[in-house]
Amino acid sequence: GESVGLHLPTLSVQEGDNSIINCAYSNSASDYFIWYKQESGKGPQFIIDIRSNMDKRQGQRVTVLLNKTVKHLSLQIAATQPGDSAVYFCAENQIIQGAQKLVFGQGTRLTINP
Amino acid sequence: EAQVTQNPRYLITVTGKKLTVTCSQNMNHEYMSWYRQDPGLGLRQIYYSMNVEVTDKGDVPEGYKVSRKEKRNFPLILESPSPNQTSLYFCASARLGGAREQYFGPGTRLTVT
Repeated sequence: GESVGLHLPTLSVQEGDNSIINCAYSNSASDYFIWYKQESGKGPQFIIDIRSNMDKRQGQRVTVLLNKTVKHLSLQIAATQPGDSAVYFCAENQIIQGAQKLVFGQGTRLTINP
Repeated sequence: EAQVTQNPRYLITVTGKKLTVTCSQNMNHEYMSWYRQDPGLGLRQIYYSMNVEVTDKGDVPEGYKVSRKEKRNFPLILESPSPNQTSLYFCASARLGGAREQYFGPGTRLTVT
């Protein structure tokens, strides 16, 4: 598969455990915060987003938490499975001169141990 | 099947030889964008388009051109490629107003020698 990054933060978890992936963001004016998943050899795939006026949102097996006080975003994956192995990117949705723009973080590589 | 396609998937070329990477989407999306992905730098936006004949620069537009003559296609053109443009390139599309949920193509691995 494609190499998507050689110097990524990594997180290694046991299959079945919960995973927590963290992200710090910089722009308090962003109206949405988003998580993308990138599997080896593929393009990023949207997982879940959260509006800036919320602090928690749940999806299927995933929960995103937003702490605006410390500009911190996290993605929690319940009962991690082998298919969750991927690089996870957080992104900020910014509106610049009327145009939407996604600003991506560097990513975290999640590895699942059997 | 809703998808974004890119061609070629892999390309090795030499400095200065013009090339085009094609991108096509079948979801009738207004918004399209090109990114490059480099180790340690994440995804950086090159150009984007909010509709036909409307394009604008992203964060790293130098050395690239784009065009949007049709809604479904958004080619990336490198008029005179240089080795620092060796990278993994992704095209993405989204509905207007919903660009936080972008649909990405499979990527094009470009090597410029």
